[in-house]
Formats: sequence, C-alpha cells, structure tokens
Amino acid sequence: QKEVEQDPGPLSVPEGAIVSLNCTYSNSAFQYFMWYRQYSRKGPELLMYTYSSGNKEDGRFTAQVDKSSKYISLFIRDSQPSDSATYLCATQKGEYGNKLVFGAGTILRVKS
Amino acid sequence: DAGITQSPRYKITETGRQVTLMCHQTWSHSYMFWYRQDLGHGLRLIYYSAAADITDKGEVPDGYVVSRSKTENFPLTLESATRSQTSVYFCAAAGANTEAFFGQGTRLTVV
Repeated sequence: QKEVEQDPGPLSVPEGAIVSLNCTYSNSAFQYFMWYRQYSRKGPELLMYTYSSGNKEDGRFTAQVDKSSKYISLFIRDSQPSDSATYLCATQKGEYGNKLVFGAGTILRVKS
Repeated sequence: DAGITQSPRYKITETGRQVTLMCHQTWSHSYMFWYRQDLGHGLRLIYYSAAADITDKGEVPDGYVVSRSKTENFPLTLESATRSQTSVYFCAAAGANTEAFFGQGTRLTVV
C-alpha cells in the first residue's frame, strides 16, 4: 500500500467551478502537508504548506488537513484555465529538509 | 540566475550504458534530493543528501549511485541503464528553513 494515495484523474471542469482535490495517507507520523502544482514539462512548485490539522487559505486556494481521518484536501475557487496543471499532494515527517512523500498527482483541466 | 539547474534536459541512452544526470544549486542549501516521476506513481525518492558527503537511500535506489563532494552539486549516476529506468528525473534542494525547490527535470529514455 502506498503511503499517500491520490486519484490521478484526469479531472475536467468548466471555468469558474470549485475544484476539490483529495489525498489520503497511512502514516500518522506525517505532520507537514503540502500541495505542489506542476505545469506540463516543468518541475513541481510549492502551492500550499500546512502543519497538522486545520485549514489554510491563500487567495482562491484552501488547503485542509484532517489528521483524525488522515485526509488532505485542496479547494480551488473560481477556477481559471491557468489552473490547468497536475496537483501533487505531499507529506513529510519533520519540518523543512525532510524527505517528501508524494501522491500520484491529479491532472486538472479547466475549460474556458 | 539563482536556482537549481539540471542537465541534460533530454537524454537518450542504450541499455547497459552508464549515464550521469547533473544537478547544481546556487543557494548552498543543505538538503538535496533525487526523485523520479512515472505515470501513476507520482514522484518517488531515489536518494537523499542532508549535507556534503552524507547521502541516504530513498524508496527506489536500486541501480543508482549518488555522490555529494560539494554542497552545490548532487549528480545521479545510472551504473548500467535499463529500460525500466526510462523516466523523468527531478532534483530538488531545501534549506533548514525553506521549502524544497525543484529543477526543470531530465527526461531520460533508455532504448
């Protein structure tokens, strides 16, 4: 069983839709949770970074962690065609510098 | 420009050949990583380095060798390339107080 499970999609939505991306993880030692965005033929870039359970908002993006159910979510409001990318959830046991464990990535396409 | 540079960007090699993928960072971050990305698997850690001369295996290290004689460089060598090593390889660097920054990737094809 993978430590981090993520539905690879692809997910196709119309412009302006609310997008929900989800991951589950199996190891309760994970404390830090991230979402990376990866455009085609580019390296991943950090989008959101959260510690432990709770919500974190940044503009149109909200990251949510529920440690009791080992569930990670990313919500995108008012989705734009420029949001079309692969979204990767990731976790790590300690703070910066520790090994990141990634989900498979979800391919998102926002249609104009 | 500051950042992390991978070379080459694209490489085709034959089965059994040795090939080295280069990674260079300009920040002097302590931590460096090599990941491979395959469809359906996401990014999987090959090797990890916490500092110069300190390296550790990741999830899929078999068939790969790394070295880190200088903080800024972290080359990855495939000792005898196999078709199963066809993949996109990403190098990353992270500081004690920073996120992991990824390079643009090297697309390797083993024929």
